[in-house]
Amino acid sequence: DQQVKQNSPSLSVQEGRISILNCDYTNSMFDYFLWYKKYPAEGPTFLISISSIKDKNEDGRFTVFLNKSAKHLSLHIVPSQPGDSAVYFCAALIQGAQKLVFGQGTRLTINP
Amino acid sequence: GAGVSQSPRYKVAKRGRDVALRCDSISGHVTLYWYRQTLGQGSEVLTYSQSDAQRDKSGRPSGRFSAERPERSVSTLKIQRTEQGDSAVYLCASPCGCGGNQPQHFGDGTRLSIL
Repeated sequence: DQQVKQNSPSLSVQEGRISILNCDYTNSMFDYFLWYKKYPAEGPTFLISISSIKDKNEDGRFTVFLNKSAKHLSLHIVPSQPGDSAVYFCAALIQGAQKLVFGQGTRLTINP
Repeated sequence: GAGVSQSPRYKVAKRGRDVALRCDSISGHVTLYWYRQTLGQGSEVLTYSQSDAQRDKSGRPSGRFSAERPERSVSTLKIQRTEQGDSAVYLCASPCGCGGNQPQHFGDGTRLSIL
């Protein structure tokens, strides 16, 4: 039972354009969402998060949007840079339950 | 990253043996989390440790997984009677310390292979 899904295993975007990474979840109890970036042989690196009481959070080139009614969140990276090439994981959390559920990841490739 | 280091990076063990994986958090966070990541299946939380508890609550019904806190800055994940299905990357994570207790800083992981 995959409670957090990233349906696109890979995505290619041209440098300078916008990258949009999508994530869907099924458990309406999730109240906090996070995005991580992962390079090979390294642990995930935290990028940005959003509480379920908000619908948008922005940090530099990264913006996360949350649509609670659709149980959908997305990460926007603009402008995309070659260093953004990595695997991106979304994760969902029930605060207080101490359980973080990850999606399967999307491999983002930024082409020069 | 962010002050979380794990050792060893790679471990090979025979099925049925017990193994211990270590996580060091420089900041000495109250809560350290352990996750198991398998290829193509995302990650699942295993257990977590808090500095006021020497032994932790396990998120696994089998009870073969437990985390101990020998020191405030160290958590040890213990896997008893390993099975081949335990082969995975095990990640330790600490909170960001930014007001929430969400796991946000991860170590580089230990890749465990059970023969």
